Amino acid sequence: GIQVEQSPPDLILQEGANSTLRCNFSDSVNNLQWFHQNPWGQLINLFYIPSGTKQNGRLSATTVATERYSLLYISSSQTTDSGVYFCAVPSGGYNKLIFGAGTRLAVHP
Amino acid sequence: SQTIHQWPATLVQPVGSPLSLECTVEGTSNPNLYWYRQAAGRGLQLLFYSVGIGQISSEVPQNLSASRPQDRQFILSSKKLLLSDSGFYLCAWTPETGRSNQPQHFGDGTRLSIL
Repeated sequence: GIQVEQSPPDLILQEGANSTLRCNFSDSVNNLQWFHQNPWGQLINLFYIPSGTKQNGRLSATTVATERYSLLYISSSQTTDSGVYFCAVPSGGYNKLIFGAGTRLAVHP
Repeated sequence: SQTIHQWPATLVQPVGSPLSLECTVEGTSNPNLYWYRQAAGRGLQLLFYSVGIGQISSEVPQNLSASRPQDRQFILSSKKLLLSDSGFYLCAWTPETGRSNQPQHFGDGTRLSIL
C-alpha cells in the first residue's frame, strides 16, 4: 500500500519564526489533507489540497502531485500553533485515509 | 451545517469489560463513516469504515467490532477489552458515498484507558 512519510518528526520554534513541514507519499493520489492535532487531541482540518497552493491566514500548503510531495508553511508562528501536524492521503477507495506519523511542533514564547 | 458527535470523551475500563463508543453525524445523508485509533505518540490507523447501513468493512484484525444501525450512527464495540485496546479513538465522515475526492471530517475523539 501507499506509504506516507513526514519530516521533520519534531520541530521547536521561537514565537514569530517560520517553518516548513514536508509530506512525501509513495504513489499518485487524487487528494491530500493536512490536519493539526491540538493538545486536547482534536483533529482540525487545515487544508484539502490535491494539487496547487492554498493559503489560510498564516498557513499555506502546496502539493506537487507529479513529484509526490506536499509542503505546509507556517509563518510568524504562535504558541497556539503547537501540536502535531498530520498529512493523510486516500488509499484503496472509499476515501480511506493513510496518515503519516506526524510532525510534533512546539512553539515557545 | 454538518456536525459530528462522539461520546464519551474519556473512558476508563477494566480489562475484560465490554465497550461501546458512539458516533453520530448531523446535517448530511448517507455519509461514509470511519473509526480510527491513535496509539500514544503515533499516527492514526483506520479500523473500520462503512458506506451504508449495516455495511461494515474491517481494515485490521482486532478485538473490536463496529456496527451502523442507522444512517448517521456508527458504533464501536468490544465484548472483552484488552490492555492493548487503550488509545484515542476518532470517528470521521465524508459526504456522499462512493466518491474518493472528498475531505474527511473528524469528531473530538474518545480517550480510552484500560486498567
